Amino acid sequence: ETGVTQTPRHLVMGMTNKKSLKCEQHLGHNAMYWYKQSAKKPLELMFVYSLEERVENNSVPSRFSPECPNSSHLFLHLHTLQPEDSALYLCASSQEVLTHYGYTFGSGTRLTVV
Amino acid sequence: QQQVKQSPQSLIVQKGGISIINCAYENTAFDYFPWYQQFPGKGPALLIAIRPDVSEKKEGRFTISFNKSAKQFSLHIMDSQPGDSATYFCAPYSGGGADGLTFGKGTHLIIQP
Repeated sequence: ETGVTQTPRHLVMGMTNKKSLKCEQHLGHNAMYWYKQSAKKPLELMFVYSLEERVENNSVPSRFSPECPNSSHLFLHLHTLQPEDSALYLCASSQEVLTHYGYTFGSGTRLTVV
Repeated sequence: QQQVKQSPQSLIVQKGGISIINCAYENTAFDYFPWYQQFPGKGPALLIAIRPDVSEKKEGRFTISFNKSAKQFSLHIMDSQPGDSATYFCAPYSGGGADGLTFGKGTHLIIQP
């Protein structure tokens, strides 16, 4: 395990469903991130949190709603998704915000929207 | 604006051969040049990184070559092994904001036995 744990590993949901992705880091890092990884596209940074405060929101549709209750936990709440939202969603953490030092990814949640 | 261009998109190398993946960038403010390795079903993991004050860094079979004037850096995998089969991302970085976190599109490397 990498120190960043994501659950569930796989998720299939209908377009009218509401679901949540969970990320937990055991590294004592101060920053956490959500990324979207689609086939043949670069990794897309979605949200950045530093000490539970959102720092960046890169024009992500409102059907994706992040929550960071503390520096160790990060959630991504999903509702009324579209099939094009099917992707691998990766959580990452780093020692300090917006730095590559100690950057650690989880194994991701493979999301399929049907 | 595409800040990072990674090539090739896919690469097949025979076992024991040399794998070479290239990354070209535009932002001269980048000051940290890592390569990430991603296996199927896993997230990317830092493989090796270099700072611009050196032109080459070697860690075991993995070498980064850095050409500051050409704004390029490359990953060389010597004596490539089937276990090296993965997707590799360059991710040049500069501090000061989310724009500094830039990943290439990835290179899918297959090492044939």
